[in-house]
Amino acid sequence: DIQMTQSPSSLSASVGDRVTITCRASQGISSWLAWLQQKPGEAPKLLIYAASSLQNGVPSRFSGSGSGTDFTLTINSLQPEDFATYYCQQGYSFPITFGQGTRLDIK
Amino acid sequence: EVHLLESGGGLVQPGGSLRLSCAASGFTFYKYAMTWVRQAPGKGLEWVSSIGGRGASTYYADSVRGRFTISRDNSKDTLYLQMNSLSAEDTAIYYCVKSASGDYVNWFDPWGQGNLVIVSS
Repeated sequence: DIQMTQSPSSLSASVGDRVTITCRASQGISSWLAWLQQKPGEAPKLLIYAASSLQNGVPSRFSGSGSGTDFTLTINSLQPEDFATYYCQQGYSFPITFGQGTRLDIK
Repeated sequence: EVHLLESGGGLVQPGGSLRLSCAASGFTFYKYAMTWVRQAPGKGLEWVSSIGGRGASTYYADSVRGRFTISRDNSKDTLYLQMNSLSAEDTAIYYCVKSASGDYVNWFDPWGQGNLVIVSS
């Protein structure tokens, strides 16, 4: 199985900040990586797919990069609605696996 | 607009069975692979099972293989998850999710609202 490891597990930031979350795969997955956002009490939402492609309707302050084993999610100019938990997910092979999540809190 | 409406969750005793359903609308159902993902209370996301658009290909997590069966009825635009031999470790919110890229299982969008399954005596 491909293990997905996110860092940090949690972080605090302020509105307007720029934050970066990293995700490392235990083996190469090319660009088969997605980022999801989950707010409390809600279902996850796809933000980024194929490592860097922005899903329709997602604000352009979200961006993704990386390939192989190392990936990043960057959020520019944090907005109040961005405080949530973020997950990376590999779509390279079965079993599909997720990172453990990164909780983004308001500082 | 795509809608995924799950039903069938609830409280079940250890060793019992439950069948989840997911009624889909807003897209051509048979053209898309479908997946179940679960989330235990306060925990992260766990992929459970996927099925190809025509239903011929199925995939399972090791944790549920042999106990859960995924299926679909394309005439009813409905996805199912039959869960047998349930244990407390299966307690979770179960999400029905549509593949974002046709019959390929790589990204998931959108996700259903989730259906809570509680396994307890």
